[in-house]
Amino acid sequence: NAGVMQNPRHLVRRRGQEARLRCSPMKGHSHVYWYRQLPEEGLKFMVYLQKENIIDESGMPKERFSAEFPKEGPSILRIQQVVRGDSAAYFCASSPRDSDTYEQYFGPGTRLTVT
Amino acid sequence: GIQVEQSPPDLILQEGANSTLRCNFSDSVNNLQWFHQNPWGQLINLFYIPSGTKQNGRLSATTVATERYSLLYISSSQTTDSGVYFCAVDEWSSDYKLSFGAGTTVTVRA
Repeated sequence: NAGVMQNPRHLVRRRGQEARLRCSPMKGHSHVYWYRQLPEEGLKFMVYLQKENIIDESGMPKERFSAEFPKEGPSILRIQQVVRGDSAAYFCASSPRDSDTYEQYFGPGTRLTVT
Repeated sequence: GIQVEQSPPDLILQEGANSTLRCNFSDSVNNLQWFHQNPWGQLINLFYIPSGTKQNGRLSATTVATERYSLLYISSSQTTDSGVYFCAVDEWSSDYKLSFGAGTTVTVRA
C-alpha cells in the first residue's frame, strides 16, 4: 500500500508567482490535512478536507491561500502571488477516519522556496 | 488551545546509549502520535499511541493519558536516529487538528 504522496518535493518560485502543491492520500483514505512548517515556528495545522468539502480552514491565511480535494484526483494547496514569507515545508496527511483510529499518515512534504 | 511541551529540547548521545524523550500535554486527547523528522526533512510516523505501550524494534513508547504525558524510549541508539522527534496531539473537541510540540533534537555521535 503506497503511502501519502506529495509532489513536487521541491518547488522554487519567484515572488508574485503561483505555487501548486499536490497530495495523493493513501488508498482508501478520504480525509486530507495540510500542515505548514515555518522556520522557527514549528508545524501548524492549515486545513482539513474531505472529498469535495472543506471541513476546517481555520489555520489557512485569509488571503492568497486556497485548498481543494476534488472528487477525482489529488488534493491541491494553491498559493497565489507568493511572498518570501511563504517559504516553508508543506506537509499533507491523510486518514481513514474510521471509528477505531484517529491516526494521520504524513507524506514526505514539499519544500517551497520563494526567491 | 491544547499545549504540548517536549523535553529535553536537545539531546546528544553516544552511539549505543539509551534515552528517554518526554511529551506533556494540557488536556484530554483522542490522538497522540510520535514522529521522527530526519535530516532530509521527511516526517516519519513512529507511533500512534493515545494510551498504553507499544514497541517497534529499538523504539518504544508509553502514554499515560490520565496523567497527560507520553514517553519515547530509544535504546542502543544509532547515528541514523539523529533528527528531530515530535510529539503531536489533537484536542478532544477537535479530533482532527494536530498540535505539535517544539520537538527534541537528537544527535547521535559515532
